[in-house]
Amino acid sequence: NAGVTQTPKFRILKIGQSMTLQCTQDMNHNYMYWYRQDPGMGLKLIYYSVGAGITDKGEVPNGYNVSRSTTEDFPLRLELAAPSQTSVYFCASSAGQGKNIQYFGAGTRLSVL
Amino acid sequence: DQQVKQNSPSLSVQEGRISILNCDYTNSMFDYFLWYKKYPAEGPTFLISISSIKDKNEDGRFTVFLNKSAKHLSLHIVPSQPGDSAVYFCAASGDNDMRFGAGTRLTVKP
Repeated sequence: NAGVTQTPKFRILKIGQSMTLQCTQDMNHNYMYWYRQDPGMGLKLIYYSVGAGITDKGEVPNGYNVSRSTTEDFPLRLELAAPSQTSVYFCASSAGQGKNIQYFGAGTRLSVL
Repeated sequence: DQQVKQNSPSLSVQEGRISILNCDYTNSMFDYFLWYKKYPAEGPTFLISISSIKDKNEDGRFTVFLNKSAKHLSLHIVPSQPGDSAVYFCAASGDNDMRFGAGTRLTVKP
């Protein structure tokens, strides 16, 4: 069972470059999430989606964009990478919102230099 | 604002002994609490949860205790095993969102 798959696992970007972090899930979950984890901090929600075509901002959305054209895919776009975006990014999905277990991908470690 | 706090960044215990990981929250609207476990280079995986209508939930070696008046929960692992060495995240949720603590790194020594 693949679950939630994230690509790439690692990436180094130069300041000002752009990239897309890919996330796909095969559990037919409506809800999908993007988090970032900085050292010594908890997971911070960047964006989430409650279904195809519907996205909304989380706690720390600045500098990021998302789209949800299918149930399976929820890519995260960084348009102008900044050193403050150096972090580990996790994608997750769940069957419902709030009191539902979230299933996480293995993460993407991004460095912006 | 950190609505979920895990004040111990790390914990080391001997194999076979009890591990106790603690978590505090500030938002009284949270009514469902979860613990996730994370190994290096992997994403967090669900371990155990508890609803606010309970004060204890047990699953094998893992027990979560909830003290609503103190806004505190704890995860007990008995007996601890070397394979339990990981980072443990506490999470709290209401109807619409889930907030995570910073994690506690547990090391179980053989």
